[in-house]
Amino acid sequence: GGIITQTPKFLIGQEGQKLTLKCQQNFNHDTMYWYRQDSGKGLRLIYYSITENDLQKGDLSEGYDASREKKSSFSLTVTSAQKNEMAVFLCASSISGTSAETLYFGSGTRLTVL
Amino acid sequence: GNSVTQMQGQVTLSEEEFLFINCTYSTTGYPTLFWYVQYPGEGPQLLLKVTTANNKGSSRGFEATYDKGTTSFHLQKASVQESDSAVYYCVLGDLGGSNYKLTFGKGTLLTVTP
Repeated sequence: GGIITQTPKFLIGQEGQKLTLKCQQNFNHDTMYWYRQDSGKGLRLIYYSITENDLQKGDLSEGYDASREKKSSFSLTVTSAQKNEMAVFLCASSISGTSAETLYFGSGTRLTVL
Repeated sequence: GNSVTQMQGQVTLSEEEFLFINCTYSTTGYPTLFWYVQYPGEGPQLLLKVTTANNKGSSRGFEATYDKGTTSFHLQKASVQESDSAVYYCVLGDLGGSNYKLTFGKGTLLTVTP
């Protein structure tokens, strides 16, 4: 088996601040994802990466950057945190990324912006 | 575009009661359908998936049938336990332009009381 580790678990930022969330996986999966989870809205895809150094925008990419410098890691940057923003950011991976595959999720980073 | 509808935002049951969570979807073609479950403090994990229309998937006592005629994928369990308390997401795979995008329903919070 494998595991997805997200750091930090809790992130508190100030309005306008640039914030970075990190994700590591040891499944040796090719594809990695960042999702945003808001209460009552389900999960929405921010960025995904098919392989090392690849980046693809999801439906919610505005206001975010991502980086995949190694196969095992995928980071997400909030370019300018919005006041009173609260959400959970979930990292996931899958073997190759076809729509029938299982996604494996980390336990999330909970963001609060003061 | 694709969509998934979970009408029930919350369901509260007593132990040993029957569970039914409604899920309908809209898409073209024959995508894979999933149920993911998210326990408190954890990321979502796969509960079951069905890749073929009119087939049934089952896991840990949960069942769901991929009904192409009614475009439904309802989740059922004959007798719930307190440990089943979690958020349940109905998810639609994408056979369109992108193989990497899943469409999540808004989730149904199940609370089971002893």
